[in-house]
Amino acid sequence: DAGITQSPRHKVTETGTPVTLRCHQTENHRYMYWYRQDPGHGLRLIHYSYGVKDTDKGEVSDGYSVSRSKTEDFLLTLESATSSQTSVYFCAISEREATGELFFGEGSRLTVL
Amino acid sequence: AQRVTQPEKLLSVFKGAPVELKCNYSYSGSPELFWYVQYSRQRLQLLLRHISRESIKGFTADLNKGETSFHLKKPFAQEEDSAMYYCALSGTGRRALTFGSGTRLQVQP
Repeated sequence: DAGITQSPRHKVTETGTPVTLRCHQTENHRYMYWYRQDPGHGLRLIHYSYGVKDTDKGEVSDGYSVSRSKTEDFLLTLESATSSQTSVYFCAISEREATGELFFGEGSRLTVL
Repeated sequence: AQRVTQPEKLLSVFKGAPVELKCNYSYSGSPELFWYVQYSRQRLQLLLRHISRESIKGFTADLNKGETSFHLKKPFAQEEDSAMYYCALSGTGRRALTFGSGTRLQVQP
């Protein structure tokens, strides 16, 4: 497995609280992505990064923000969690742009009560 | 806009039967198509991509631009093929893959 870890792996929180998920890679890949996985929707892109401090929105970015201050870390923040953000979140990395192979983390299961 | 459609949520077959997981896409340019697989308790991983035209674990997929399809096929299913399969598309100039909703393949003994 590629050197990519997500933390926390499981989290239960209450509506309105802030949540930060961390993705850490040891591969020195330039591109990093956050997807959410939901039944019937598959994987949907939240945000992605194409370099340190360079990020862009995906198709379901509302309610989420990201930061990438170092090559190895890509943080996903829910400023005020809602029940609709209950999901499994996957981080992925890639050496090249979207035409390259994505390597995925193990996922972070978030439950918002 | 680009879109990937996987019409079947669940496909159940018996061991040894042929398998075809359907994938249709919508994209005006020249796409690159991929199949990713997620086995139980494992990470999502790349199974194959159309540009390499290779067969992985007995699976093949041919890009049909006329029908805008990229169906995944295997002539004889094995129990270890049971997994979640995602079709994904990359379009020119886009930096991230667009995934379909996934199809769960169950191969029964």
